[in-house]
Amino acid sequence: EPEVTQTPSHQVTQMGQEVILRCVPISNHLYFYWYRQILGQKVEFLVSFYNNEISEKSEIFDDQFSVERPDGSNFTLKIRSTKLEDSAMYFCASSPTSRETQYFGPGTRLLVL
Amino acid sequence: KQEVTQIPAALSVPEGENLVLNCSFTDSAIYNLQWFRQDPGKGLTSLLLIQSSQREQTSGRLNASLDKSSGRSTLYIAASQPGDSATYLCAVWEGTYKYIFGTGTRLKVLA
Repeated sequence: EPEVTQTPSHQVTQMGQEVILRCVPISNHLYFYWYRQILGQKVEFLVSFYNNEISEKSEIFDDQFSVERPDGSNFTLKIRSTKLEDSAMYFCASSPTSRETQYFGPGTRLLVL
Repeated sequence: KQEVTQIPAALSVPEGENLVLNCSFTDSAIYNLQWFRQDPGKGLTSLLLIQSSQREQTSGRLNASLDKSSGRSTLYIAASQPGDSATYLCAVWEGTYKYIFGTGTRLKVLA
C-alpha cells in the first residue's frame, strides 16, 4: 500500500540554524499538508499546498516557515532561524483531492537546542 | 470555531476488558472523522475513517461510531490487549484543508 514518507526521522539543530524537513507524498496525490505536534500538545495544522501554491495556512505559519515542491516527488518544509519552541514532531500528509481524506507520514522529530 | 475534545484523557484497564473512548466536537458540519493511534514518540497510524453519511465503521476488534447531530464519536475496543497501549486521537475534517485534532486519550492495558 502506498504511503507518505518523511526524512529525516529525527533532527537536532542549534537555535538560529535553518532546517529543511522532507516528505514524499503518495504519488498520485495533489494536495500536501504539514502539521506540527509539540510534546504533550495537540496536533496542529500548519499549511496546505496545491498546484505550487499555499492554499491555506494557520497563524502559526509565519515568515519563518516556507514550503516548496522542488521536484515531482518531494515536498519540503523549511524553518529559517529555528527557535527553541520549534521543537516538535512535524507530520506531512497528502490527499488525492481537497475533498478526500489525508494520509499522514511517520513524522520528523525536531529538537532545537 | 471547531473544538474537539476527548474524554478520558487517560485510561488504565486490565487486559481483556472492552473499553470505549469518547470524542466530541462542537460543530456538527463535518465531512468525516478519523481515529488515529500514536505510539510514544511515533507517528500517526490511521485506524478508522467514518464519513459523515456513515454511522459506524469496524476493523477487527475496533468499532467506531459517529453521531453527527450530537457531535460525538466513540471508539470501542473489544478484548483489549497490552499491545493496544497507545494514545488514541480523533480528528474531524470540515471540508476545508485541515484536520482538527482532539487532545487524545492515553490508554494503558495492563497484562
